[in-house]
Amino acid sequence: DQQVKQNSPSLSVQEGRISILNCDYTNSMFDYFLWYKKYPAEGPTFLISISSIKDKNEDGRFTVFLNKSAKHLSLHIVPSQPGDSAVYFCAASAEASWGKLQFGAGTQVVVTP
Amino acid sequence: GAVVSQHPSRVICKSGTSVKIECRSLDFQATTMFWYRQFPKQSLMLMATSNEGSKATYEQGVEKDKFLINHASLTLSTLTVTSAHPEDSSFYICSARREQGNQPQHFGDGTRLSIL
Repeated sequence: DQQVKQNSPSLSVQEGRISILNCDYTNSMFDYFLWYKKYPAEGPTFLISISSIKDKNEDGRFTVFLNKSAKHLSLHIVPSQPGDSAVYFCAASAEASWGKLQFGAGTQVVVTP
Repeated sequence: GAVVSQHPSRVICKSGTSVKIECRSLDFQATTMFWYRQFPKQSLMLMATSNEGSKATYEQGVEKDKFLINHASLTLSTLTVTSAHPEDSSFYICSARREQGNQPQHFGDGTRLSIL
């Protein structure tokens, strides 16, 4: 049973524009959410996270929004740059589960010049 | 810089060989490390939670006798794929986090295992 879902397998965006990646979850016990960026043949790189007590967290070009009532989070990247082209994974954890991460299927982002 | 180191990055070996993969936290102590597996174009699937000084906790469907985990120190966890077969070919990734509470896990660069 997939507890974290990324329904868009791919996203193409023009350089300089905003990239919006979406993620939905089903487990109400999740209290910590993260976004990772991954290149082929490499491990995921941590981008940004948000605790369930917040609804927004911003770090430079990256902003994560959390809507607990809808069990939905999104990652905004603005402005998008060619180096942002990668697979982005949404992940969630519940501290009651010792921090084990559940990952979404990933969204392939391609930033075009 | 990298905070989690994984070695080797790639292994190609014959069927029946046992393969050991190391995961090290470089500048912090990790009482808990995690091992994941990723099939092509799929997500990362948690295999097991490695606990320093105690037995690993395996996810449902993961054979503990097939995937041996040892977490003998606060900076090193190893995954041994015993008697590997072609179906074990995959990308294996470890992660660690600095302390308890809501902290991000940091990942190694993964190991591409190819069993001929």
